[in-house]
Amino acid sequence: AQKITQTQPGMFVQEKEAVTLDCTYDTSDPSYGLFWYKQPSSGEMIFLIYQGSYDQQNATEGRYSLNFQKARKSANLVISASQLGDSAMYFCAMRPVNSGNTPLVFGKGTRLSVIA
Amino acid sequence: SQTIHQWPATLVQPVGSPLSLECTVEGTSNPNLYWYRQAAGRGLQLLFYSVGIGQISSEVPQNLSASRPQDRQFILSSKKLLLSDSGFYLCAWGGTYSSYNEQFFGPGTRLTVL
Repeated sequence: AQKITQTQPGMFVQEKEAVTLDCTYDTSDPSYGLFWYKQPSSGEMIFLIYQGSYDQQNATEGRYSLNFQKARKSANLVISASQLGDSAMYFCAMRPVNSGNTPLVFGKGTRLSVIA
Repeated sequence: SQTIHQWPATLVQPVGSPLSLECTVEGTSNPNLYWYRQAAGRGLQLLFYSVGIGQISSEVPQNLSASRPQDRQFILSSKKLLLSDSGFYLCAWGGTYSSYNEQFFGPGTRLTVL
């Protein structure tokens, strides 16, 4: 079974500063993918970034980057130069790579508040 | 491009009343479809998923059911709602069309059971 743990219920960050949202995971699958989603107050779930377990480099997507430490089973999301629009819930999720039908398993989320 | 629709957007229902939430996907064929529920301020709980017409996997045994009458249509139902059914219901689709096999979510239905 897979499990995602997000230990930070809420985080505050000053506008234009960087922030790291923690995610640890547990799985017995040899090959897996890790995902981060953003959920603004409107409720929609927005896909941000993906990291494959065998990717040699950490994923980056604009101001988002993933600090992937396989041995520690962590996949932290780093948001650089925070903006007020980054205020939202952030969810970490995972699934086995070779199982496209398997639903994503989500963590409980972290609420990020960006302060002007 | 692919789009996913959910309706209604909001719903207020009395305890014991029936429920029908609909989700449709456009621009793709044979998608995997998922129903999640999110309690206020909480994470996503997987309720059902489907890999094809008439194929439903249930993750949580409760008074909810799901059906997939057409390839791109996924329906969530209940015969008698409970107070605990209140929440934000999200439909999602996934498949091999995306770069990372991620799931794409609909706008959600906010259900309040009184």
